Amino acid sequence: EAGVAQSPRYKIIEKRQSVAFWCNPISGHATLYWYQQILGQGPKLLIQFQNNGVVDDSQLPKDRFSAERLKGVDSTLKIQPAKLEDSAVYLCASSHSSRGGPKETQYFGPGTRLLVL
Amino acid sequence: AQSVAQPEDQVNVAEGNPLTVKCTYSVSGNPYLFWYVQYPNRGLQFLLKYITGDNLVKGSYGFEAEFNKSQTSFHLKKPSALVSDSALYFCAVSNDRGSTLGRLYFGRGTQLTVWP
Repeated sequence: EAGVAQSPRYKIIEKRQSVAFWCNPISGHATLYWYQQILGQGPKLLIQFQNNGVVDDSQLPKDRFSAERLKGVDSTLKIQPAKLEDSAVYLCASSHSSRGGPKETQYFGPGTRLLVL
Repeated sequence: AQSVAQPEDQVNVAEGNPLTVKCTYSVSGNPYLFWYVQYPNRGLQFLLKYITGDNLVKGSYGFEAEFNKSQTSFHLKKPSALVSDSALYFCAVSNDRGSTLGRLYFGRGTQLTVWP
């Protein structure tokens, strides 16, 4: 079965510009997650969707970050305007259960490496 | 607050020797523990998880981990290391209580280097 797909793989932008990342989860997976991984740290959850609804966005900087999953399949994460501290790898993950519970295994995509200059 | 500690930034072992990558955690409620591995320029790959039952969990590529409730630890082990095991390893925990139900908390990662 195909894994989680993400694009682009790399992006370089200047501060105050906008950028968008795309994720297509594993087929049939109801729950989708976006993580931010800053160099030298573990991934940190930004937002969790179950189907097309937001379950947890408590750690999403909503003044500049937005995400959507309109049809309950693929998802887009946007940053506008970008800051230097947004330089990180953005990982998308998915899990099978529609409940997205704590026991679920999350499967990760290859990530998008963002550099903000 | 939920948290994971990986006390060693780096672990170096010789090929053929046993390896251990340490992880301790702090959660409210029941812990669910995961190990992931990350190779350069790639996403995280799932290795194994502990949900309930036997404290010794076996996973992919010959890895296993032992859950110790009294020490709140979940150390990753392999009896005989391979050079190809060299990668960044992450421990993560979720729990079944509180407002952050289901969220995965990751440690900072441990870089494992296996030398020939």
